[in-house]
Amino acid sequence: EIVLTQSPATLSLSPGERATLSCRASQSVSSYLAWYQQKPGQAPRLLIYDASNRATGIPARFSGSGSGTDFTLTISSLEPEDFAVYYCQQRSNWPPHTFGQGTKLEIK
Amino acid sequence: QVQLVQSGAEVKKPGASVKVSCKASGYTFTSYDINWVRQATGQGLEWMGWMNPNSGNTGYAQKFQGRVTMTRNTSISTAYMELSSLRSEDTAVYYCARDRAPTYYYYGMDVWGQGTTVTVSS
Repeated sequence: EIVLTQSPATLSLSPGERATLSCRASQSVSSYLAWYQQKPGQAPRLLIYDASNRATGIPARFSGSGSGTDFTLTISSLEPEDFAVYYCQQRSNWPPHTFGQGTKLEIK
Repeated sequence: QVQLVQSGAEVKKPGASVKVSCKASGYTFTSYDINWVRQATGQGLEWMGWMNPNSGNTGYAQKFQGRVTMTRNTSISTAYMELSSLRSEDTAVYYCARDRAPTYYYYGMDVWGQGTTVTVSS
């Protein structure tokens, strides 16, 4: 089973700052990694697919990079609505299609 | 529009079973896989399993093997997740979400249901 480890668990930043979130896989997942944003009481929303491609309607301040085992989600300049929990998820082998444990992005 | 609509909240006693439905609309049901993901209060997302609605093939997380069954009715574009031998730790919000197996790209779980709250309590 592939384990995804996200860091940090919590990230405290101010609006306008740059956020860098990490996701590390226990073995290669190629580029088959997605990022999701979840706000309280809502279903997750797809942000990034295939490691580096923004999903439909996602603002350009969100970007993803990486391949193999190391991946990064970057938010270039935080807006108030970006404070949420972020998850990475892989589907490179079958099964399971694991999620990371999440990074909570909170207002400093 | 493309959407997945889940059945309503459930309250079950320990040892019982629950069956949650997920009705697809706005796209060809058999063209996308359906995943089931759950989230206990204050916890992260936990992938439970996957079903290909075209073939009926399934794959379950080892944790749920023997307790979960995923099925579908293609005539009404609906997927089902049944979890048996419920215990208090199964209290969670259960989501369905569609995706496709990677070919050149992995497009992620791009459409999610609204979630179904399952409460297990005596």
